[in-house]
Amino acid sequence: QVQLQESGPGLVKPSQTLSLTCTVSGGSISSGDYYWSWIRQPPGKGLEWIGYIYYSGSTYYNPSLQSRLTISLDASKNQFSLKLTSVTAADTAVYYCARVGGTRSYWYFDLWGRGTLVTVSS
Amino acid sequence: SYVLTQPPSVSVAPGQTARITCGGNNIGSKSVHWYQQKPGQAPVLVVYDDSDRPSGIPERFSGSNSGNTATLTISRVEAGDEADYYCQVWDSNSDLGVFGTGTKVTVL
Repeated sequence: QVQLQESGPGLVKPSQTLSLTCTVSGGSISSGDYYWSWIRQPPGKGLEWIGYIYYSGSTYYNPSLQSRLTISLDASKNQFSLKLTSVTAADTAVYYCARVGGTRSYWYFDLWGRGTLVTVSS
Repeated sequence: SYVLTQPPSVSVAPGQTARITCGGNNIGSKSVHWYQQKPGQAPVLVVYDDSDRPSGIPERFSGSNSGNTATLTISRVEAGDEADYYCQVWDSNSDLGVFGTGTKVTVL
């Protein structure tokens, strides 16, 4: 079955760039059947949708993060990635990658990675 | 931006029924999805498109949506249902995924 796994540094210094990768196994992200998304959750708080990418490379970002955010895809490695620049303590969170299911404008997240905690601290 | 409001907490005795509400402006016109998140774990989709269940989710989980309120109902509550629950919609006006504030369900 399809599985998602996040990877990347657990500690990032303020003002630096947070970089994470999601590896998809058991299925191809190039199939075009799904969009792929990032979601985060600050400690003790709720969920925040970050953005999504399609196999074609088209992306859409949460406007609150858009100026600092890049989501990209490497089909040869069956991975998609997140880069968030100029991070602050407010970016400390568990970051999840997720598969987007459903139809456009009615999307949901039907498969999630386990999540990875990223702490922003000097 | 679109706002989804949930009660912070719901308490229920084993075997009883828990109802978790999700309020939003004319939410009945949208598809609502629900996630269960146990401590230290990733969220799991339990209801999608208002009332459909993914494979493997017990029939005890059901959903409804009308007017300004969507509801997740958990029947015959078990200790293992204790978790945080989040509603979610896709705001087509802004093309954003929006989550509710979350509800902690405690089984007494």
